Amino acid sequence: DIQMTQSPSTLSASVGDRVTITCRASQSISSWLAWYQQKPGKAPKLLIYKASSLESGVPSRFSGSGSGTEFTLTISSLQPDDFATYYCQQYNTQGTFGQGTKVEIK
Amino acid sequence: QVQLVQSGAEVKKPGASVKVSCKASGYTFTSYGISWVRQAPGQGLEWMGWISAYNGNTNYAQKLQGRVTMTTDTSTSTAYMELRSLRSDDTAVYYCARGQEYSYYWGQGTLVTVSS
Repeated sequence: DIQMTQSPSTLSASVGDRVTITCRASQSISSWLAWYQQKPGKAPKLLIYKASSLESGVPSRFSGSGSGTEFTLTISSLQPDDFATYYCQQYNTQGTFGQGTKVEIK
Repeated sequence: QVQLVQSGAEVKKPGASVKVSCKASGYTFTSYGISWVRQAPGQGLEWMGWISAYNGNTNYAQKLQGRVTMTTDTSTSTAYMELRSLRSDDTAVYYCARGQEYSYYWGQGTLVTVSS
């Protein structure tokens, strides 16, 4: 099974900050990686697919990069609506999620 | 518009089975697979598996092999996930989502509580 490790688990930041979340795969997954945002009591929302492709309607302050085993999600200027938990998911072999990164208000 | 509507909350005893439904609308059902993802209270997302709505092929997470069965009914555009031999750590919100890989469209979630 492919394991996905996100860091950090929790991130404290302020509105306007640049935020970066890292996701590492236990083996190469090429670019088969998605990023989701989840708020309490809600289903996940797709942000990024194929490592760097922005889903339609997602603000351009979100971006993804990486390939192979190391990936990042960057929020260029954190907005109040962005405080949430973020998950990466590999879909190279079955599907595995990272453990999540909670972005909280500093 | 695409919608996935799941069945209501369930309370089950340990050892029992549960079957959650996911009714799709707004697209051609057989053109996309359905994935199932669960989330235990306060925990992260766990991929459970996927079924092709086109031919019924399935791919289950290894830890659930033997306990989970995913099926579809193309006549009603509904997907089903059955989990057997329930344990307390199966207590979770269960989501269906459209697609085999990444998913933009998700159901609203079904809370399954396993308790004696």
